[in-house]
Amino acid sequence: GAGVSQSPRYKVAKRGQDVALRCDPISGHVSLFWYQQALGQGPEFLTYFQNEAQLDKSGLPSDRFFAERPEGSVSTLKIQRTQQEDSAVYLCASSSKRQGTPNTEAFFGQGTRLTVV
Amino acid sequence: AQSVTQLDSQVPVFEEAPVELRCNYSSSVSVYLFWYVQYPNQGLQLLLKYLSGSTLVKGINGFEAEFNKSQTSFHLRKPSVHISDTAEYFCAVSAEYNFNKFYFGSGTKLNVKP
Repeated sequence: GAGVSQSPRYKVAKRGQDVALRCDPISGHVSLFWYQQALGQGPEFLTYFQNEAQLDKSGLPSDRFFAERPEGSVSTLKIQRTQQEDSAVYLCASSSKRQGTPNTEAFFGQGTRLTVV
Repeated sequence: AQSVTQLDSQVPVFEEAPVELRCNYSSSVSVYLFWYVQYPNQGLQLLLKYLSGSTLVKGINGFEAEFNKSQTSFHLRKPSVHISDTAEYFCAVSAEYNFNKFYFGSGTKLNVKP
């Protein structure tokens, strides 16, 4: 498809389990973002990639969260030793231009709903 | 840092009535402003954005918003809503130097009744 694709759409993890969430951005998009959306809240910024370089990871809540984009296209958000407070929808967005270039639009995927039990 | 306040968590309205969804922001630097819509089990879709120029911005689906710098507001309006406008609406801000790193409000659920 032409949009941002995220998988899985739903994930149930037992507390302490490691999870990996995948994001396929729109082909050719340079910028990729991860956001976390807790129930009843707006999305919160986690991290940003420009091609394969992770330029901003200031929003990652702990060292249990790790993101990578090794070839500048697909990205994976990994959460180690999941906790109940990690339950949220994880949104990925991509944009065609570099960070700091105005008048571009970020396209969001449908998200992965993570439930930690 | 930037922050966004959406005071109304839910707004019920009858079909064909006008609606205004309120958004106020806080920032020490110049910002860009956005409204996104989220339908159930869907990602966020851009409704409109203010980057510069005219303070009245028109977006998709008949929505418009007005940037008011003195009141640090960016309220979203539609003169006549449809059932299909039922969704959650998020206001977002980004710093001019850090475009696309959004700070979102907590959202307003618009419930259009027949």
